[in-house]
Amino acid sequence: DAKTTQPPSMDCAEGRAANLPCNHSTISGNEYVYWYRQIHSQGPQYIIHGLKNNETNEMASLIITEDRKSSTLILPHATLRDTAVYYCIVTQEGYSTLTFGKGTMLLVSP
Amino acid sequence: SAVISQKPSRDICQRGTSLTIQCQVDSQVTMMFWYRQQPGQSLTLIATANQGSEATYESGFVIDKFPISRPNLTFSTLTVSNMSPEDSSIYLCSVPNRGHDNEQFFGPGTRLTVL
Repeated sequence: DAKTTQPPSMDCAEGRAANLPCNHSTISGNEYVYWYRQIHSQGPQYIIHGLKNNETNEMASLIITEDRKSSTLILPHATLRDTAVYYCIVTQEGYSTLTFGKGTMLLVSP
Repeated sequence: SAVISQKPSRDICQRGTSLTIQCQVDSQVTMMFWYRQQPGQSLTLIATANQGSEATYESGFVIDKFPISRPNLTFSTLTVSNMSPEDSSIYLCSVPNRGHDNEQFFGPGTRLTVL
């Protein structure tokens, strides 16, 4: 699986958009970008994934650059409950094993 | 979605003893995964447990230290054997979303402290 690079921490004001970047410059053509988050004292939670098109669901939007070497997870209106560690994972569809990096600790403040 | 429970939620154990962690899923699943999360660290996959076959262990993890049982499609156990303080971690199980193997549902974790 391709390696990912994320900033160790980010801050966001409540109600504002949180934009979490991920670099995956060695991604190969059949690898997807997955995002999970882990709220303190809980297990990780799946958020969204994509291959090359932008994706949106009820939780977030995923923007993948045209060259697929980076992506951004967008939480459009961050709340205090979005404070968590966010993991960007690159893996093959159906491969099933997930390799978690260090992630980004997002702190949403009032 | 799948609802996953783990027992115990936390435990404090003495070195040299063993602890068995249970993972129960509310639906039948072929694959179950066990992860370890050491203090302040990210998750590391220990093994994949398929019902009806031996568990597949990741590099650095061995069956003698982390024996796994998978007696049916809704249940699995992970045993942490001959524990040392270095085994103090959160242990989590997960299952894939049906038809979407990389969308995994995680249990709440078992927080283990070894003295």
